[in-house]
Amino acid sequence: DIVMTQSPDSLAVSLGERATINCKSSQSVLYSSNDKNYLAWYQQKPGQPPKLIIYWASTRESGVPDRFSGSGSGTDFTLTISSLQAEDVAVYYCQQYYTTPFTFGPGTKVDIK
Amino acid sequence: EVQLVESGGGLLKPGGSLRLSCAASGFTFTNAWMSWVRQAPGKGLEWVGRIKSKIDGGTTDYAAPVKGRFTISRDDSKNTLYMQMNSLKTEDTAMYYCATDHGWFDPWGQGTLVTVSS
Repeated sequence: DIVMTQSPDSLAVSLGERATINCKSSQSVLYSSNDKNYLAWYQQKPGQPPKLIIYWASTRESGVPDRFSGSGSGTDFTLTISSLQAEDVAVYYCQQYYTTPFTFGPGTKVDIK
Repeated sequence: EVQLVESGGGLLKPGGSLRLSCAASGFTFTNAWMSWVRQAPGKGLEWVGRIKSKIDGGTTDYAAPVKGRFTISRDDSKNTLYMQMNSLKTEDTAMYYCATDHGWFDPWGQGTLVTVSS
């Protein structure tokens, strides 16, 4: 199975400042035949289901604010919130869909400092 | 509007059985691959299993902890996804979400809570 890790476990950022979350996979999730990274990011607020924000490692889901961006390739990925807003307080998960069993990172909790 | 609504959760004892349902609307369910994802209380997300569309073979895949105990099926005439859960264990206690499976999951239902306790 592909093991996903995330860092940090939690972070507190001032409003308007940048938040950066890292995700690492135990093996590459880059499919060479199409040059796509099979990596998604989700946001989960308390009492709600997860919400997709990024897929193909860097493609923003429709309706997601452009302060959210994804980057990286192979085994190392980053989710960046360029200017943290109060409504961004949540737990963020990465997920690989390169192969089953699909696996998630343990989550990173983002709070306001 | 795309909508997924899970039902069937409840409280039961170890060794028991339960069938979850996920009613889909607002999209062509027949063509969709579907997955179940669960989340134990206060914990992270765990993929449980998926079913492909019938046109893509209708085959299923399961995570190791549930393989042989859980069975995912679909009734395209009712736009409904199911998961039969047998030989339930305390560690199966979780919120169970259905989701449209593109590899990534979107959208998700609101979830149904399954509690397994003696």
